[in-house]
Amino acid sequence: ETGVTQSPTHLIKTRGQQVTLRCSSQSGHNTVSWYQQALGQGPQFIFQYYREEENGRGNFPPRFSGLQFPNYSSELNVNALELDDSALYLCASSRIRTGNTGELFFGEGSRLTVL
Amino acid sequence: DQQVKQNSPSLSVQEGRISILNCDYTNSMFDYFLWYKKYPAEGPTFLISISSIKDKNEDGRFTVFLNKSAKHLSLHIVPSQPGDSAVYFCAASGQTGANNLFFGTGTRLTVIP
Repeated sequence: ETGVTQSPTHLIKTRGQQVTLRCSSQSGHNTVSWYQQALGQGPQFIFQYYREEENGRGNFPPRFSGLQFPNYSSELNVNALELDDSALYLCASSRIRTGNTGELFFGEGSRLTVL
Repeated sequence: DQQVKQNSPSLSVQEGRISILNCDYTNSMFDYFLWYKKYPAEGPTFLISISSIKDKNEDGRFTVFLNKSAKHLSLHIVPSQPGDSAVYFCAASGQTGANNLFFGTGTRLTVIP
């Protein structure tokens, strides 16, 4: 059983640019969530995708968007990057969103630095 | 507004002793609580959880206690081992199985051999 994998692991962008982060879910999982972890903070929920549609969103502006593909892999896109977007972005997968234990399986994260 | 709080950024414990990590929450609608452990350069990994209908859940060396009236939960690790050294995050959700978890800021546990 393969775990959650994310790419790239590190990247540097400049303010105003756009970035795409990628995630491959753990096999058998159909729900993917994205979290932002700023330095010294806990992960903050960005959004969740289920059956290729956004299904829940945290307090993040529309320039944060995502996709989920039929194979349950996912992308996080951030437009018009700001300095405060510098953070570790975590992807987490799980099985159907209700009735399970709430356990999420996280990837190692993509560390984004915005200069 | 931080709905889940871990007020101790760090904790050091001697090997073999008990580690107690604390967590407070403000939202009374939370009904499911989880602890995650994070090693450097790795994603958080699930450790243990508890439903609001219980006040204790035990899994080996790890026990989570929930005090709903105080909106407080704690994680006990007995006995503590050097491999337990990591950052521990408390998390909460508004419904069982919900994936939009609210995390605390974490407590870095160091177990001294």
